[in-house]
Amino acid sequence: KQEVTQIPAALSVPEGENLVLNCSFTDSAIYNLQWFRQDPGKGLTSLLLIQSSQREQTSGRLNASLDKSSGRSTLYIAASQPGDSATYLCAVVPEYGNKLVFGAGTILRVKS
Amino acid sequence: DVKVTQSSRYLVKRTGEKVFLECVQDMDHENMFWYRQDPGLGLRLIYFSYDVKMKEKGDIPEGYSVSREKKERFSLILESASTNQTSMYLCASSFDAFTSGGFTDTQYFGPGTRLTVL
Repeated sequence: KQEVTQIPAALSVPEGENLVLNCSFTDSAIYNLQWFRQDPGKGLTSLLLIQSSQREQTSGRLNASLDKSSGRSTLYIAASQPGDSATYLCAVVPEYGNKLVFGAGTILRVKS
Repeated sequence: DVKVTQSSRYLVKRTGEKVFLECVQDMDHENMFWYRQDPGLGLRLIYFSYDVKMKEKGDIPEGYSVSREKKERFSLILESASTNQTSMYLCASSFDAFTSGGFTDTQYFGPGTRLTVL
């Protein structure tokens, strides 16, 4: 059974810092991995999707990497801003593409 | 931009009531999903639909049913609401017409409905 773990559960950093959020998954047979952002009391917004054949994806100040063989992904946020404060969720699609398995999320607070 | 809307942001119902949660997407997506999100349990899939009038059970379908009469609309029905169904309900849609269920494509989420059952 695929399980997704995100560390740390919560993170508080001063504005301007570069930071890394970690995601690990137990079964390396995945189709893709997705990072989402969720603001308090709201729905999820897709940030990045990495196919299993890819090593990384970039969007603006965000960079997500994937090491499928070791079951790990990282989300790198450069020059963090208070507006980046949110919960970040990692999710994997198993190889057969029949579901989306979410981690519990990392709550990020960027202090001004 | 893809837009997924949900009929209510907040809803309070009484035990035993029949509850309808509506979700509409405007991007002609094939697939639609209903999740619930609870602290400590994360997001769990209730039902999904990969075509009009087609539905599949997710991980926790008990106590719920769904309806998809039109492509753009996916309804979640709580036949007899119970207190353990108090939760945040999230609807999502995706295009992915090539694999069963549509999980491999980006899912676009609605704003969520916070349901409280008293």
